[in-house]
Amino acid sequence: AQSVTQPDIHITVSEGASLELRCNYSYGATPYLFWYVQSPGQGLQLLLKYFSGDTLVQGIKGFEAEFKRSQSSFNLRKPSVHWSDAAEYFCAVVPFSGGYNKLIFGAGTRLAVHP
Amino acid sequence: KAGVTQTPRYLIKTRGQQVTLSCSPISGHRSVSWYQQTPGQGLQFLFEYFSETQRNKGNFPGRFSGRQFSNSRSEMNVSTLELGDSALYLCASSGARNGVGETQYFGPGTRLLVL
Repeated sequence: AQSVTQPDIHITVSEGASLELRCNYSYGATPYLFWYVQSPGQGLQLLLKYFSGDTLVQGIKGFEAEFKRSQSSFNLRKPSVHWSDAAEYFCAVVPFSGGYNKLIFGAGTRLAVHP
Repeated sequence: KAGVTQTPRYLIKTRGQQVTLSCSPISGHRSVSWYQQTPGQGLQFLFEYFSETQRNKGNFPGRFSGRQFSNSRSEMNVSTLELGDSALYLCASSGARNGVGETQYFGPGTRLLVL
């Protein structure tokens, strides 16, 4: 079945530490890939997206993500986490065929940052 | 440019009532999508409108409906409310092209509580 999996429901890191949030998808063809962040009580903000081309994508707030076709993964990374990065992070895809703009989300990873 | 706006931001209804939520997209955007966010089911796609036509629909009962006006503003309606309809309803808009996988910009959401 087509799906988006974020294996880690909750992650805690120390401020200044590096971060990697995992995302795997299960689709026949490579979909369009996105990472969104949601702060408490807020809507979703786009961090970055991958459509094609360079597999390392740079986003806002110092985030980057790497697309690996062989692993069907699109992991989000940040070299040094700030306390303000505490939020919930969602990986999402738009299927290449017939998806138009229908985002299919993973369950999310809640990030806590220790001072 | 002003972002996506949603009204009202908070709403309390009782079971059996109906509710209408409104979304104004970013100026120039012709696609509007709606999502439901709950703790149990996560973020789920409801439907997408493009140029006043529904072109994609999620797996929700017929009690959930929507429409889009000629100025791209959109409304969604939920009839015969159930307790399980309590959720954050998010609206997103995307660019003027009739494309696939376009970047979607989210509003702050309408939080609906059904008692």
